[in-house]
Amino acid sequence: KAGVTQTPRYLIKTRGQQVTLSCSPISGHRSVSWYQQTPGQGLQFLFEYFSETQRNKGNFPGRFSGRQFSNSRSEMNVSTLELGDSALYLCASSFATGSNEQFFGPGTRLTVL
Amino acid sequence: GESVGLHLPTLSVQEGDNSIINCAYSNSASDYFIWYKQESGKGPQFIIDIRSNMDKRQGQRVTVLLNKTVKHLSLQIAATQPGDSAVYFCAENMPPGNQFYFGTGTSLTVIP
Repeated sequence: KAGVTQTPRYLIKTRGQQVTLSCSPISGHRSVSWYQQTPGQGLQFLFEYFSETQRNKGNFPGRFSGRQFSNSRSEMNVSTLELGDSALYLCASSFATGSNEQFFGPGTRLTVL
Repeated sequence: GESVGLHLPTLSVQEGDNSIINCAYSNSASDYFIWYKQESGKGPQFIIDIRSNMDKRQGQRVTVLLNKTVKHLSLQIAATQPGDSAVYFCAENMPPGNQFYFGTGTSLTVIP
């Protein structure tokens, strides 16, 4: 069974731009969560989507948003990029929501110049 | 429960020795915990999990212990190998939903 895939793997943007990252969960998994990983803050929860609905949201500004499609694929969007948004963005999938095994993709490395 | 400090604890062990990695979690309402291994340039890899109604769970070469009284989690790796060198994170889930909070991480180095 294929694992979680994320595209693109690397991205370079400039301040003020917006970016969209994509995540395809493991086949059959319906929950997708997004995390931001930085050296200073570690791994921080952004949001979770299940059955096309946002179930949980972390403590990030409204510039960070996401959505999930009927095939469970998910996208996250960051608008008006700031230098501090440079990070590894990780997507994780679970079969269902609610304290389930969660498996990560390789991440998208975003650099904001 | 939120995250993570600026300092990454480190642990160095000799190949073949046992390793113990500790984690303090923050929320007594957390009901599910996962240990992850992250190698450089890769996403976190699921190692083992445990639910709050258990205090011990064993996998292949790994054991997780949960002490809810003091909100402490540990990962024991038996016969540590060079391939075990990585950063290890514990993650706690706060219900409902999947909303995991991660510890700072511990960098494990295995000396051949």
